[in-house]
Amino acid sequence: DTAVSQTPKYLVTQMGNDKSIKCEQNLGHDTMYWYKQDSKKFLKIMFSYNNKELIINETVPNRFSPKSPDKAHLNLHINSLELGDSAVYFCASSEAGTGGPETQYFGPGTRLTVL
Amino acid sequence: AQSVAQPEDQVNVAEGNPLTVKCTYSVSGNPYLFWYVQYPNRGLQFLLKYITGDNLVKGSYGFEAEFNKSQTSFHLKKPSALVSDSALYFCAVRGYTGGGNKLTFGTGTQLKVEL
Repeated sequence: DTAVSQTPKYLVTQMGNDKSIKCEQNLGHDTMYWYKQDSKKFLKIMFSYNNKELIINETVPNRFSPKSPDKAHLNLHINSLELGDSAVYFCASSEAGTGGPETQYFGPGTRLTVL
Repeated sequence: AQSVAQPEDQVNVAEGNPLTVKCTYSVSGNPYLFWYVQYPNRGLQFLLKYITGDNLVKGSYGFEAEFNKSQTSFHLKKPSALVSDSALYFCAVRGYTGGGNKLTFGTGTQLKVEL
C-alpha cells in the first residue's frame, strides 16, 4: 500500500540514450511533482502538475519532458541523456488545496546514473 | 525569491542529549515552513510544518520546531536524541502567494547521534 511509488529504483544508461521514470500515487492527490537531488544532496523542484495541467516548470533543459496521463501518474521522460543528468529523481504528491501549504509526500527516488 | 539556509552541514550529539538543527529563511510575506527527514537511500519523510498560530509546532517522532518571525528562523528540536534519529534533515519554505505549491529546500543538515 505504498503511497507514492517510482519505477525503476535504479537506472544505469549510456550517454545519448532516452529513458523514462514512472511515478504513481494512491493518495487521491491532485498535484504531483518531480524533484532532482544532486550528488551534494541539493534538492530542487523541476516540474509540478495539478490534475494533469503543468503549473510549475523550472529552468530545466527541454530534454526533460513530464507527462501526466491522469492525476495519479506523472512520468518523466529524458532525451539524449548527459553525464550531468546523473542524480536521484524524486516524485512527490500533495492535495491541490486553495493556495495553502499542502504537505508534499515523496516517493523513494530513482537513482539515475549516466555513463 | 524565497530561500532557506541551513548553516550547519553536520550536527553531532550524544544520545539522550537535546538536539537542535538550525534553519533560517527568506520569503516575501508570511512563510509556510517545513521540516523533512531523509534516511539513507530513502525518500523524504514529512516531520512537521508551520502555517500560522502557535510558534511551537510539534511533529512526528518527538520532534518540534520553533518559528521566530523576528529572527526569520525555524529551528528543529528534540529534547532527547536517539541513535535512530541519525539522518539528513531538510528545511523548506513556501511563500504565501503565487508560484504554486513550490517548496524551496535548504542544503540539508546531517545529524549524527552517537552512543
